[in-house]
Amino acid sequence: AQSVTQPDIHITVSEGASLELRCNYSYGATPYLFWYVQSPGQGLQLLLKYFSGDTLVQGIKGFEAEFKRSQSSFNLRKPSVHWSDAAEYFCAVGAPNTDKLIFGTGTRLQVFP
Amino acid sequence: GAVVSQHPSWVICKSGTSVKIECRSLDFQATTMFWYRQFPKQSLMLMATSNEGSKATYEQGVEKDKFLINHASLTLSTLTVTSAHPEDSSFYICSARDLWGQGFSNQPQHFGDGTRLSIL
Repeated sequence: AQSVTQPDIHITVSEGASLELRCNYSYGATPYLFWYVQSPGQGLQLLLKYFSGDTLVQGIKGFEAEFKRSQSSFNLRKPSVHWSDAAEYFCAVGAPNTDKLIFGTGTRLQVFP
Repeated sequence: GAVVSQHPSWVICKSGTSVKIECRSLDFQATTMFWYRQFPKQSLMLMATSNEGSKATYEQGVEKDKFLINHASLTLSTLTVTSAHPEDSSFYICSARDLWGQGFSNQPQHFGDGTRLSIL
């Protein structure tokens, strides 16, 4: 069965520091991978997605993620965090030929000035 | 583009009443919409997949008679929580996939802003 693990429940960084949010997935083949961001009381906004091809994908708001098949990982990175990046981040996996997304438990990001 | 509107954003009602939540795709057509439930500080749990013109597909453990889903058009799906009780209080989020993504599960889902339901 597919699953997504986000090992870090809560991360705190200083504004301007670099960021990496971890995501590991379990799936027999190459899944479709997504990162979403959720601000408090809001829905989810798509940051980026990976389906195939270049393993380093660029997203909105300066985020990027790298797919590493050998590690079953799809970590999200940003070189310099802004205070407005404080939010909940969800990694999700979708299996080809299904409609469903499986979400990780999320990582809450706090940014200190 | 790809805006999903969810209404209401917040509702408080008495135990025993029914509550309807609407999910609309504003600038695209969606044959498939999804309904999620999110408990505080937790992830999204898929409740059901709503397909235009057909019955919804519910996830295991979700009571279909409790959570009625109707997807009457390509731009509107509704979730009705019937005879709501305090344990139904939660944050409900819908998402929709563009019609042109039909058959391609790699098309991302676009999410509404959610509905906070509080049952007293």
